[in-house]
Amino acid sequence: ELKVEQNPLFLSMQEGKNYTIYCNYSTTSDRLYWYRQDPGKSLESLFVLLSNGAVKQEGRLMASLDTKARLSTLHITAAVHDLSATYFCAVLMGGSQGNLIFGKGTKLSVKP
Amino acid sequence: GAGVSQSPSNKVTEKGKDVELRCDPISGHTALYWYRQSLGQGLEFLIYFQGNSAPDKSGLPSDRFSAERTGGSVSTLTIQRTQQEDSAVYLCASRPTGAGYEQYFGPGTRLTVT
Repeated sequence: ELKVEQNPLFLSMQEGKNYTIYCNYSTTSDRLYWYRQDPGKSLESLFVLLSNGAVKQEGRLMASLDTKARLSTLHITAAVHDLSATYFCAVLMGGSQGNLIFGKGTKLSVKP
Repeated sequence: GAGVSQSPSNKVTEKGKDVELRCDPISGHTALYWYRQSLGQGLEFLIYFQGNSAPDKSGLPSDRFSAERTGGSVSTLTIQRTQQEDSAVYLCASRPTGAGYEQYFGPGTRLTVT
């Protein structure tokens, strides 16, 4: 059974600081996704990581994937309040068109 | 273009009643997924449709849950004899054919069973 673990589950940061969210998964997969969810809203796709060593950046967020270590990271640089949300990593199960197994999410709060 | 739409946005029902939740995927997306999000269980996969293939029902929590997809487009998730533990947000997602594409999520239906 594929398990996806995120940590931390809760993160309170000050604006301007850097931090990393970790996502570990238990079995082989070469496709990992990061989503953002604002309160009361649906999931918004942030990054699709398709291969070992993949790195993608958008604004203050950068995601990477190490398939050998079964680890993905979401790095936040110089956090701003607008980044406050819950971030989920998800691993694709069952081949290229299977379903996603989600981590429990990291609730990020960025304070001035 | 139009995203994934779901209806109703909110549904309150009495325990024991049946409910139907609807999902309209993005036009042309061949894959359609149902997930459930609840405080206690997080985001859970329920069922997956891919084209004309038999659906993957491996995530359905009980035989009270069923889903169908008509004409390769609209999908309906049905919950029979609802229980309080069915209270959750039910999310639908669709995806184009081909590897590497992410799933695009709808706004969800918040189901409350009283």
